[in-house]
Amino acid sequence: QKEVEQNSGPLSVPEGAIASLNCTYSDRGSQSFFWYRQYSGKSPELIMFIYSNGDKEDGRFTAQLNKASQYVSLLIRDSQPSDSATYLCAVNIRGSNYKLTFGKGTLLTVNP
Amino acid sequence: GAVVSQHPSRVICKSGTSVKIECRSLDFQATTMFWYRQFPKQSLMLMATSNEGSKATYEQGVEKDKFLINHASLTLSTLTVTSAHPEDSSFYICSANDSGYEQFFGPGTRLTVL
Repeated sequence: QKEVEQNSGPLSVPEGAIASLNCTYSDRGSQSFFWYRQYSGKSPELIMFIYSNGDKEDGRFTAQLNKASQYVSLLIRDSQPSDSATYLCAVNIRGSNYKLTFGKGTLLTVNP
Repeated sequence: GAVVSQHPSRVICKSGTSVKIECRSLDFQATTMFWYRQFPKQSLMLMATSNEGSKATYEQGVEKDKFLINHASLTLSTLTVTSAHPEDSSFYICSANDSGYEQFFGPGTRLTVL
C-alpha cells in the first residue's frame, strides 16, 4: 500500500508567523514530491515541487525533502490570511506513468 | 502556465441518467490525463489514467463500465458517468501531463445526482 500521510490538522497560525506542514511517504521508489493548495470548492493549484534532497525556496514558500527519512515539508513564511486553505502533499512514484498519490491534506487557517 | 479546462463546471441530473464531463488541455498536448474524484472534506482519489488512443487504466475499486473514459486526442478526454446515482455526487477533477513532472489541474466539475 503506497501511502502519503500528512500531519493532522487543522493548523492555526497568526498572521506573519511561519506555518509548517509535514508529509511522510511509505514508498522508497517515490521520485518527485508536490505541494498543492486547495481552496474550498476549487481544484488544487501547484505551489511547488521538489525532487532532490534539501531545500527549495520560492518566495515565501520553502519545500524540504529528506529521502532517507521519507519526509517532505512545506514552510510558509510571513503567513497571510489568503494562505488559509487545505494543503495537499502528493507523491509521484517512479515508473507509475506520472500518477500522483495524495495525502488527506492539512487545513491551515491564518488568523488576522 | 498550462491551462486545462473542464466542462460543465456544475451539473445536476436525475438518478439513472448519464453525464459526460469534458477535459481539455488548451495550450499543450497532454500525453496523459487523469481523472480524480473528491468527496467533501476528503482528499483527491485517482479514478483512472488515460493515454491518447488507448484504453484507460482504472484504479482498484473503480467500475470501468460505470465511469467511461475516452481520450480521443492529445487535448481532449471525456468522463461519462453512466446511470448516475446519488452516491456518485462528487467533485470530479481532471488533470493533464505533458510528460514533465507537473500535472495541470482543471477547475473541476461539481456533480449532483438527485
